[in-house]
Order: sequence, then structure tokens, then C-alpha cells
Amino acid sequence: DAGITQSPRHKVTETGTPVTLRCHQTENHRYMYWYRQDPGHGLRLIHYSYGVKDTDKGEVSDGYSVSRSKTEDFLLTLESATSSQTSVYFCAIRGEPSGNTIYFGEGSWLTVV
Amino acid sequence: GESVGLHLPTLSVQEGDNSIINCAYSNSASDYFIWYKQESGKGPQFIIDIRSNMDKRQGQRVTVLLNKTVKHLSLQIAATQPGDSAVYFCAEKADYKLSFGAGTTVTVRA
Repeated sequence: DAGITQSPRHKVTETGTPVTLRCHQTENHRYMYWYRQDPGHGLRLIHYSYGVKDTDKGEVSDGYSVSRSKTEDFLLTLESATSSQTSVYFCAIRGEPSGNTIYFGEGSWLTVV
Repeated sequence: GESVGLHLPTLSVQEGDNSIINCAYSNSASDYFIWYKQESGKGPQFIIDIRSNMDKRQGQRVTVLLNKTVKHLSLQIAATQPGDSAVYFCAEKADYKLSFGAGTTVTVRA
């Protein structure tokens, strides 16, 4: 499972509320990613991090922010959740030593009502 | 739009038969390709990968073929088992990012 833990695994929240999803890894990987998965769209990159305090946007970053204050934790925040952000969110890490393969966590199911 | 896509959204296979799942990609700069399996309620699971300088790679019961001339990738599963029922994604890597297609749902018939 590449040592990735996502929390919470399931959450229901109301429109307009802030939500933070946490990704925790135990293997000191430099690269971490947040994807969302929706029917008909596959997996789409939201944000990624290439080190502590080093982050960048992916293809669907609007409405999301991230933070990485330490190697093991990568946080995804929805500042003001909307119904369009109802999705399954996957954290991923870039495996070593080749650095090519990306391994995924088990997902966080978020419903915005 | 997405740069990676699968030819068929669904595939039904008789148990014991071989499965072939196809994928087309469009980014000539992609240097690495991966197949993932995703079971219901779980995250994508790495199956097998192949570099762009290879045309075939074999794993346990799985083979990935890469045809760069026509930008085509396939996953072959030998002797398909009920546990192979899942959604299969191909992904292409260019620089640091992976791009995914929508996936093929494989159903194994007993």
C-alpha cells in the first residue's frame, strides 16, 4: 500500500464549509499528489508537491489549496466546499528508486450537500 | 481533453480465457506507461509498467505491449480469473505527471 494513509475516508459536509483532507506517508517520499476521480473523467491531478513547502497546481486546481509543512503530510483544503467538489479524492506518492511509478492511497469519499 | 483513452469502456471475459485491454495515447513525449487495476471502493493498484524504449514487458500473468508508431498500449491478462474483475486504467507519464484515461471495466464470467 506504499505506506499511504488518507483521512477522513468518508465525509459529508455542507456547501460553503471548509474541508481538509489529510494524506500521511511513512516512507519519506519527496513527491506527493492529490487526484480526484469522477465518472467519465478518470483521475485528474489537483495539486502536487515536490518537497516541504514546494507545491504546484495540476489540471483542476481551482477551489483547492494544499500545504506541505513536513515530508510525511500533504493536506488538501477546500476553502468553501461546493457540490461540484463531491468526488473521491486520492493521494499518491512517487515511488523510489526509479521515481516513475505513482502509488495511490485508498481514497477519501467526500459528499457536499 | 484527456490525452489517454481506452478503446472500450467495458469488456466481458469468460473465466480462463485471455483478456486484452487496449489503450490509445496521444503525447509523443510520454516516456513511461503504467497499467492500474481498481477494484470497487479502493485506490488504483499498480499492475505493470513499460518504458517508451521497450515494446513488450511481461509480469505474472500479465503482458504489456507498446506500439509507439500508432501510439497504442495494451494489457494482456492470461487465464483470466474472477479476481481480475475490476476497472483497468492506462496512464502515460510525461515529466512528473501521469495522465489517465477513463478506464475499462472488466467483468469475468464464470
